[in-house]
Amino acid sequence: DVKVTQSSRYLVKRTGEKVFLECVQDMDHENMFWYRQDPGLGLRLIYFSYDVKMKEKGDIPEGYSVSREKKERFSLILESASTNQTSMYLCASSTSRGAADIQYFGAGTRLSVL
Amino acid sequence: GENVEQHPSTLSVQEGDSAVIKCTYSDSASNYFPWYKQELGKGPQLIIDIRSNVGEKKDQRIAVTLNKTAKHFSLHITETQPEDSAVYFCAAKYNFNKFYFGSGTKLNVKP
Repeated sequence: DVKVTQSSRYLVKRTGEKVFLECVQDMDHENMFWYRQDPGLGLRLIYFSYDVKMKEKGDIPEGYSVSREKKERFSLILESASTNQTSMYLCASSTSRGAADIQYFGAGTRLSVL
Repeated sequence: GENVEQHPSTLSVQEGDSAVIKCTYSDSASNYFPWYKQELGKGPQLIIDIRSNVGEKKDQRIAVTLNKTAKHFSLHITETQPEDSAVYFCAAKYNFNKFYFGSGTKLNVKP
């Protein structure tokens, strides 16, 4: 089974802090994604990466950056956390081989910015 | 870009009844429509999907229908069970690797 692991289930940070959310997948998937989940808004794409060191902006990239130095790891960075970034963050991965399109999600990181 | 609307936001049914969740999309270029189930404390998990060249797909108690002309697709769950209680999301694939998700439906199956 594909496993997508997010390093923290819960995080509490202060306004202005630099925050790192880490995601690791174990299926050699080329594509990785970061979503934000808010009640009534569904999942919104922040950034995605289709290869090591490659990234593309999603629909809500403002205030975020990403890093993909290794194929299995995709990091989401909040350069200066703000209270409006309090949310559930979901990481996902998919492959461009075979049954492409299926996204496998991690359990999520609930971030609170105080 | 794509826009996906999902209804209803909450749905309560009696065990054994059927549940239907509906989604509409805006971009006729979208060609892949997955449905995800998210249980409490877990990430979304794919339960069924359909491609634009197919009108209906079934997997045991779950079915998805797609009307390309009207740009809407629906999830049907028959003989609901308490373990079907979860949040369900529809999605549409807009272009290479970009998915747009609906706002979610919280399904409650009462024993």
